[in-house]
Amino acid sequence: GENVEQHPSTLSVQEGDSAVIKCTYSDSASNYFPWYKQELGKRPQLIIDIRSNVGEKKDQRIAVTLNKTAKHFSLHITETQPEDSAVYFCAASRGSYIPTFGRGTSLIVHP
Amino acid sequence: DVKVTQSSRYLVKRTGEKVFLECVQDMDHENMFWYRQDPGLGLRLIYFSYDVKMKEKGDIPEGYSVSREKKERFSLILESASTNQTSMYLCASSFPLLQGATNEKLFFGSGTQLSVL
Repeated sequence: GENVEQHPSTLSVQEGDSAVIKCTYSDSASNYFPWYKQELGKRPQLIIDIRSNVGEKKDQRIAVTLNKTAKHFSLHITETQPEDSAVYFCAASRGSYIPTFGRGTSLIVHP
Repeated sequence: DVKVTQSSRYLVKRTGEKVFLECVQDMDHENMFWYRQDPGLGLRLIYFSYDVKMKEKGDIPEGYSVSREKKERFSLILESASTNQTSMYLCASSFPLLQGATNEKLFFGSGTQLSVL
């Protein structure tokens, strides 16, 4: 089955800095890569996703890049703000509806 | 907006009790999931269902069972609760791609923090 590794487990940045979270996956047939954000005490919510036919996708201050050859994808957050503090989960799936999640990254943005 | 509702936010039970966690979604989603969330372990899939009365084991089904008698409701059952089942339980639902969904987005409930003493 699919295995998703996510790094780092904790990331601490100053407000205004950039943050990068990296994930690798094992199944070369995976073709859908979502990112979920979970604020403290709240439910995880999808913030951005990318399919395997696209190398990069942006939405305002967040972007996701995908390297199919290396089987890794990354979440980039620019100009971080305190409200970006949360746990971020990457996931991978192969066209079915059952994603495999990474273990999560706790992002802390210091004002 | 999709709503996935879990019946309890916090639950305290004793070892050996039978525990029911209820989840209801209001968007006619075919797929429903139960995850367990533990610090440092991420989201681990316990069971999922893609249709009424259908169920499939996830990665950690031991000690759990599920019931889906109606499309909108998916129940997680701990037959005999143990202390190692103390955790945050998250329900989720999604719309199958085959039925026109544009992505495989999961909609999560707010979670049930279960403590087994």
